[in-house]
Amino acid sequence: DGGITQSPKYLFRKEGQNVTLSCEQNLNHDAMYWYRQDPGQGLRLIYYSQIVNDFQKGDIAEGYSVSREKKESFPLTVTSAQKNPTAFYLCASSRQGAAGGNQPQHFGDGTRLSIL
Amino acid sequence: AQSVTQLGSHVSVSEGALVLLRCNYSSSVPPYLFWYVQYPNQGLQLLLKYTSAATLVKGNNGFEAEFKKSETSFHLTKPSAHMSDAAEYFCAVSDRGSSNTGKLIFGQGTTLQVKP
Repeated sequence: DGGITQSPKYLFRKEGQNVTLSCEQNLNHDAMYWYRQDPGQGLRLIYYSQIVNDFQKGDIAEGYSVSREKKESFPLTVTSAQKNPTAFYLCASSRQGAAGGNQPQHFGDGTRLSIL
Repeated sequence: AQSVTQLGSHVSVSEGALVLLRCNYSSSVPPYLFWYVQYPNQGLQLLLKYTSAATLVKGNNGFEAEFKKSETSFHLTKPSAHMSDAAEYFCAVSDRGSSNTGKLIFGQGTTLQVKP
C-alpha cells in the first residue's frame, strides 16, 4: 500500500545536538510538508517543497533545515539553534492539482521528539 | 490572508447523541476546506473535503459537513456519536494565494469526548 513513513517514532535529543527526522513517501506526490504540533496550538508549517531540489520556509522555520534531493524523501533536521524542540512532528505530501490547493494532504504517523 | 477558527477546544457528547464541531474560515477567494481526524499518537486522516462542488459533503464514518458561504462556516456533524469517534478534529483551509502552493492553514483543533 502507498503511504508516508516517518522514522523514528520516538527520538531523544541532547543539548547542543542536531537530529534528523526521516520522511519517505511512495505516493508519487510532488509536494511535501513538515509540521510541528504542540498541545492546543494546532499544526504549524515548518518547511515545504513543491518539487525536487526546491523548498520554502513555512511559518516557523528558524532552527530547522531540510533537503529535497529525491522526490520520495524530505528529511528534517532539528538543529541546536532550535531552543524548544520538544514536540510532535508530522510529515505530509500531496499531489499538485491543476487548480492548486484542492488536493488533500496525506500524513505520516509522526515522530515525537524529546529533550534529554 | 486565510485563517480558520474552531469554536470550542473540547466538546463532550453522549454516545448516540448528535456531534457538531464548528469551523469558521476567512478567505478572500473561494476556499477549499478540509476536515481531518487525529487519534492519539497518530497522523491526521482526511475525513472529507469541499472543493466547490456540492455544498453538503459526505465523508467517512457517517460524518458530513455543509459549506455555508454566507456564514463563512464549514461545520462538521454526525447524527449519532460512537465511542470510536473520540479523537481530535482539525478544520483546514487551503492557502489559495497566487502561488497555489497547496499549503493548508489549520484550526487549533477540537477534542471530541464521547461518554457511554
